[in-house]
Amino acid sequence: DADVTQTPRNRITKTGKRIMLECSQTKGHDRMYWYRQDPGLGLRLIYYSFDVKDINKGEISDGYSVSRQAQAKFSLSLESAIPNQTALYFCAVQGTINQPQHFGDGTRLSIL
Amino acid sequence: EDQVTQSPEALRLQEGESSSLNCSYTVSGLRGLFWYRQDPGKGPEFLFTLYSAGEEKEKERLKATLTKKESFLHITAPKPEDSATYLCAVQAGAAGNKLTFGGGTRVLVKP
Repeated sequence: DADVTQTPRNRITKTGKRIMLECSQTKGHDRMYWYRQDPGLGLRLIYYSFDVKDINKGEISDGYSVSRQAQAKFSLSLESAIPNQTALYFCAVQGTINQPQHFGDGTRLSIL
Repeated sequence: EDQVTQSPEALRLQEGESSSLNCSYTVSGLRGLFWYRQDPGKGPEFLFTLYSAGEEKEKERLKATLTKKESFLHITAPKPEDSATYLCAVQAGAAGNKLTFGGGTRVLVKP
């Protein structure tokens, strides 16, 4: 969905490095989410935000932090990357609570 | 804790061979059940939302149904372009802000 843009699309880095993944949206939605996807485990929620001043932990937030710089921008950081954080990372946006979430095309992150 | 289980994990079909995918869920207070399609290298693409038991939604060769314990995604006369991973997710509870996903069903339709 071109309305949700994630950068970079691919990243290879080393253990201990700090990494930032960025998400921007043109849909004007307040709700934004970060997920990771691992084979066999499905998508799991890392953090979510309902507006610029609202940040909430998801089910697997340890080792991650986020920043909501503006309504349209939501960044995910790995302060000190470790190999088991190798995964696909997806950003999603949502209008109201009962509307579907719309996803970006993801960032493939490999940590060596 | 909300749980979502999809079966089968993988499905190989001949073109034109209809089949169904299952999504079983255990939640407290279902607010909505969502079906997504995911192609390799892409994010999940929204297909349907179902809100209450008995509800049905259709789009081209796909039809989603919902009961109190499970949802089915029926693929009628599939074509190779229907090959993808199909994801089911539930949104539940008072907060209603969290989607719980199943592991997905990988569908391969051979010509």
